[in-house]
Amino acid sequence: SAVISQKPSRDICQRGTSLTIQCQVDSQVTMMFWYRQQPGQSLTLIATANQGSEATYESGFVIDKFPISRPNLTFSTLTVSNMSPEDSSIYLCSVNTLRGEAFFGQGTRLTVV
Amino acid sequence: GDSVTQMEGPVTLSEEAFLTINCTYTATGYPSLFWYVQYPGEGLQLLLKATKADDKGSNKGFEATYRKETTSFHLEKGSVQVSDSAVYFCALSVGGNTGKLIFGQGTTLQVKP
Repeated sequence: SAVISQKPSRDICQRGTSLTIQCQVDSQVTMMFWYRQQPGQSLTLIATANQGSEATYESGFVIDKFPISRPNLTFSTLTVSNMSPEDSSIYLCSVNTLRGEAFFGQGTRLTVV
Repeated sequence: GDSVTQMEGPVTLSEEAFLTINCTYTATGYPSLFWYVQYPGEGLQLLLKATKADDKGSNKGFEATYRKETTSFHLEKGSVQVSDSAVYFCALSVGGNTGKLIFGQGTTLQVKP
């Protein structure tokens, strides 16, 4: 298993500002993933954060809006830029173990006002 | 593309009732299948998984069998408890062990005493 810590756990932000979410894992992992869970909806993959290279974004998500850093094998950040109320969601960090199981952080509940 | 479809909720049951939450999938290749649970106010937790056809995943009294012929992975429990009240997500892995997951829309289970 993997223990994942996300910070902050929640935040209320003004529109037009940016928020950076941190994800720390207790072991070294090759890939880290960022998901979004909009209110009452399922989880949608935003991007895969690769150490030493640029993140790989899914359709509908772009680097200018969701820049990602991956400075080492245990840490990643996701920034939600120029926020609008539509960005209000839970953002989750995830890692995959060698057994092919995904573990998730507690999530960051973001409200944009 | 790959997708997961779950039965719509909420599902409301009395304690000790039998639970079935339907899940069907569309995928190229042979994905691994998962059930995740999200208890109120908590993060996503892996409940069980199955990696190949006819595998049965089980945990905490819950079971699901990977049915390739019907492309299904229905979640069952013989006797639910109030503490099982949560949102349940069916998911499949994309492209082998990439760590990327596609989730169903989630099914809310409410168990009444």
